[in-house]
Amino acid sequence: KQEVTQIPAALSVPEGENLVLNCSFTDSAIYNLQWFRQDPGKGLTSLLLIQSSQREQTSGRLNASLDKSSGRSTLYIAASQPGDSATYLCAVRLFSGTYKYIFGTGTRLKVLA
Amino acid sequence: DGGITQSPKYLFRKEGQNVTLSCEQNLNHDAMYWYRQDPGQGLRLIYYSQIVNDFQKGDIAEGYSVSREKKESFPLTVTSAQKNPTAFYLCASSIRRESETQYFGPGTRLLVL
Repeated sequence: KQEVTQIPAALSVPEGENLVLNCSFTDSAIYNLQWFRQDPGKGLTSLLLIQSSQREQTSGRLNASLDKSSGRSTLYIAASQPGDSATYLCAVRLFSGTYKYIFGTGTRLKVLA
Repeated sequence: DGGITQSPKYLFRKEGQNVTLSCEQNLNHDAMYWYRQDPGQGLRLIYYSQIVNDFQKGDIAEGYSVSREKKESFPLTVTSAQKNPTAFYLCASSIRRESETQYFGPGTRLLVL
């Protein structure tokens, strides 16, 4: 059974710092992996989607990498800002022909001004 | 504006009562999903539908029911059989292809009186 883990559960950093969020999954047979952002009491917003054949995706200050063989993905945030404060979730889409995502528990990020 | 709407934002359920959460999308997406989010946990899949008049159970379907009579609508009923319904409920949709991202609604918070 696919399990997705995110470490750390919470992180506080000063403004301007570069940071890395981690996501690990137990079964490498995935179609893709997606990173989401969730603000308190809100829905999820997609940040980056990495297909299983890709190694990384970039959008602005965000870069996500995928290493299927080791079951790991990282989300790199450059020059963090207070507006980046949110919970970041990763999710893997299963390779089973269904359209199911398995979500991690998230990393709650606080960027201090 | 294209998007997903959920209503109500807050919902209160009395003991033994069934309640229905609304989810509507105008993105012309085939697939729709219902997730439950509890504090400190990732999203867990309740039900999903890949096409009109068809739906499948997710990982925690007990005590819930759905219908998919129209492409744009996927209501979730929380029945009295669900003994611990207090949670944040999120609806999502996607194009029915493995490579596509999921788009989320703003969520409904269900509380038990």
